[in-house]
Amino acid sequence: NAGVTQTPKFQVLKTGQSMTLQCAQDMNHNSMYWYRQDPGMGLRLIYYSASEGTTDKGEVPNGYNVSRLNKREFSLRLESAAPSQTSVYFCASSERKIYYTGPMNTEAFFGQGTRLTVV
Amino acid sequence: TQLLEQSPQFLSIQEGENLTVYCNSSSVFSSLQWYRQEPGEGPVLLVTVVTGGEVKKLKRLTFQFGDARKDSSLHITAAQPGDTGLYLCAGAGGYSGAGSYQLTFGKGTKLSVIP
Repeated sequence: NAGVTQTPKFQVLKTGQSMTLQCAQDMNHNSMYWYRQDPGMGLRLIYYSASEGTTDKGEVPNGYNVSRLNKREFSLRLESAAPSQTSVYFCASSERKIYYTGPMNTEAFFGQGTRLTVV
Repeated sequence: TQLLEQSPQFLSIQEGENLTVYCNSSSVFSSLQWYRQEPGEGPVLLVTVVTGGEVKKLKRLTFQFGDARKDSSLHITAAQPGDTGLYLCAGAGGYSGAGSYQLTFGKGTKLSVIP
């Protein structure tokens, strides 16, 4: 039962370096998400992908890019890391249903998180 | 962006006490979810509420969705140290279109239950 797998778990970068966070899910979900979590800020949405081939900006997209490589994989790239990007990053996936009240998300499954420090 | 306001932000109580945390928004949601997160882990779903006025119970936890589907509450009866964690509410949009796929979280309520 792998669920959502994120790599790496920990990373230290120097300012200006680039890196890609990898995420894969094995639940055949259409929707995938990248969040960052800072103390006192809850989970803030960076980018999301409603389905394979589509990506959209969330609340805090600046400084990040994403790729929905296929239905399973959704990667997050930092092109030029900055100290303000020090955070814990979570990938998540869920499915979409149309309920009588409107579109709704089924349970979102999260990866274990990536703790990123930019020095 | 649809905002979800959670209160209180921090809550420290003694074992056996009752508590209520709130999740409020000016937007209507087609569904609202509550998650619990422990240190070093990702959030885990507790419940999804869909119908306005809906009440769901999960052992000592009672979840309510407001009639207008803009707010929700989580009530814990006789809190135990095992209830300690970060409680997050999350809402999916109530409208059609790409934006409705966003899953937006509140900032969370950090609960500490002291033995």
